[in-house]
Amino acid sequence: AQSVTQLDSQVPVFEEAPVELRCNYSSSVSVYLFWYVQYPNQGLQLLLKYLSGSTLVESINGFEAEFNKSQTSFHLRKPSVHISDTAEYFCAVKETSGSRLTFGEGTQLTVNP
Amino acid sequence: GAGVSQSPRYKVAKRGQDVALRCDPISGHVSLFWYQQALGQGPEFLTYFQNEAQLDKSGLPSDRFFAERPEGSVSTLKIQRTQQEDSAVYLCASSPDTGPLNTEAFFGQGTRLTVV
Repeated sequence: AQSVTQLDSQVPVFEEAPVELRCNYSSSVSVYLFWYVQYPNQGLQLLLKYLSGSTLVESINGFEAEFNKSQTSFHLRKPSVHISDTAEYFCAVKETSGSRLTFGEGTQLTVNP
Repeated sequence: GAGVSQSPRYKVAKRGQDVALRCDPISGHVSLFWYQQALGQGPEFLTYFQNEAQLDKSGLPSDRFFAERPEGSVSTLKIQRTQQEDSAVYLCASSPDTGPLNTEAFFGQGTRLTVV
């Protein structure tokens, strides 16, 4: 079984500041790692994913996450946030041979002007 | 449409009432998932279909919950004798692949169920 812990339930930041949303996972088998974003009244959207290869993965809107196997972490970072990044962010894992996603409890990112 | 469609978007049910929630996955997607998202929580897995076969229903919280996908496309999640603790957003997701190739799930907007 897998579990995901998102260490911060709420992260308030000012516009153009850097941000890090923390995610730790636990699994006895190989996993894929994901970050999903949920804007108000919308469905979950995939932000980025780690499958294999380079441990640093990037999204098209400036977010990046680094897979750290020794620390079992997959923290999400952005060097400069915008008001439009305000949303709930979910970290998730999936066994490489499985199908279901296991989600963390989410981090509400609020970007203030 | 091009995305996963769920209906209704909102449902209010009286305690004890039966409800049916519908999911139209992306055309051609083999895998279909149902998740339950309680207020302030992350989504939790309910059940998984590969085409019409329900391969995993270990996340269904009780025998009041039943899901089907008879023709391998549209799926229905049915909840019998609803209870207040069933109040949540029910999310449907689909994926074109299975198993190790299943690396991206596309989610619908969800159905918000409120049991009063």
